Amino acid sequence: AQSVTQLGSHVSVSEGALVLLRCNYSSSVPPYLFWYVQYPNQGLQLLLKYTSAATLVKGINGFEAEFKKSETSFHLTKPSAHMSDAAEYFCAVSDGSGTASKLTFGTGTRLQVTL
Amino acid sequence: NAGVTQTPKFQVLKTGQSMTLQCAQDMNHEYMSWYRQDPGMGLRLIHYSVGAGITDQGEVPNGYNVSRSTTEDFPLRLLSAAPSQTSVYFCASSPDRGAGNTIYFGEGSWLTVV
Repeated sequence: AQSVTQLGSHVSVSEGALVLLRCNYSSSVPPYLFWYVQYPNQGLQLLLKYTSAATLVKGINGFEAEFKKSETSFHLTKPSAHMSDAAEYFCAVSDGSGTASKLTFGTGTRLQVTL
Repeated sequence: NAGVTQTPKFQVLKTGQSMTLQCAQDMNHEYMSWYRQDPGMGLRLIHYSVGAGITDQGEVPNGYNVSRSTTEDFPLRLLSAAPSQTSVYFCASSPDRGAGNTIYFGEGSWLTVV
């Protein structure tokens, strides 16, 4: 069975500071990994995804994530936080087993950006 | 470009009532699914469909029913609403069942059962 653990339900950073949101996964087969962002009262929007190509994945809005198989991690980073980055972020894994793609989500990390 | 459209956006139900959450996508996607989002629990898969006429259960299917008569529509039915079904519901779609596909989400339906 696949699972995702997001460390830290709330993260607060200053504007201009580094953003680091942590995600560790468990999967019995090579995984596909995703980061989604959810702004208040909206649906989820894809930030980036790893599908076994380059281990460093660049996404929208200046975010990137690095797949580290040895650490079973897929942490999300952004060099310089902006006020507009305040949102909830979800890491998700899809096991790629060949059956219908079913994402397993982490519990989310709410990012607060302060002045 | 509409994408995935859900209605209604907000609904209050009494315990025991039934209702249908509507979902439509205009991207000709084969794969559609319903998730519920609860505080501290992320999103959990309720039901999914890999094409018209084919549906299957996800992680939390009890109390919900789905059908897929067309490629575009995937309604979610609550048979007899319970307070435990108070949640935010998201419909989603992707081009096919491929595990690496991006899944596109609707904007959510907020349901309160009293």
